[in-house]
Amino acid sequence: AQKITQTQPGMFVQEKEAVTLDCTYDTSDPSYGLFWYKQPSSGEMIFLIYQGSYDQQNATEGRYSLNFQKARKSANLVISASQLGDSAMYFCAMRESYNTDKLIFGTGTRLQVFP
Amino acid sequence: DVKVTQSSRYLVKRTGEKVFLECVQDMDHENMFWYRQDPGLGLRLIYFSYDVKMKEKGDIPEGYSVSREKKERFSLILESASTNQTSMYLCASSYLTSGGETQYFGPGTRLLVL
Repeated sequence: AQKITQTQPGMFVQEKEAVTLDCTYDTSDPSYGLFWYKQPSSGEMIFLIYQGSYDQQNATEGRYSLNFQKARKSANLVISASQLGDSAMYFCAMRESYNTDKLIFGTGTRLQVFP
Repeated sequence: DVKVTQSSRYLVKRTGEKVFLECVQDMDHENMFWYRQDPGLGLRLIYFSYDVKMKEKGDIPEGYSVSREKKERFSLILESASTNQTSMYLCASSYLTSGGETQYFGPGTRLLVL
């Protein structure tokens, strides 16, 4: 069965430093998509970045990049130059297969950025 | 911008009450979803809908029902609320497509059942 694992319940990072949030996944489907979402204390889930299983290059969106290692089934989120506003919960999610829109979520990582 | 709204940010109900959580999206999305979020468990899918009057069970449908009479509105119903349904409820919507199309989320409803 498809599964997403986030092993870091919490992470701390100093402002302006880079931080990596871990995500591993398990699926037998060769076609899948991986998402990262940010959830500030306000509660709304904000889409950050997407990686398709057939994408040759790692996805990047501004300060966010996805370190996609297909053989290891990992899709770690890298946030460069952390800002205080990056403090939030971060969720990794996987689309079950390429032709459905159902998502499976990990348990999340709470990131705290300190000055 | 896509907008998904939920009828309440905070809700307090008593055990046994019937509870309606409403979700409305303004982007003509085919798909709509209801999740509950609990600490340490992430988001879990309760029900989803691919079309009007169509619904499918997610991973934890017990104790819940849904209604989709109009394309833009998806309601979650707790027929008889229980304390173990105290949670954060998130609604989402998306186009019926594949690839990198994301789901768009509402602000969430924090439900407390006493």
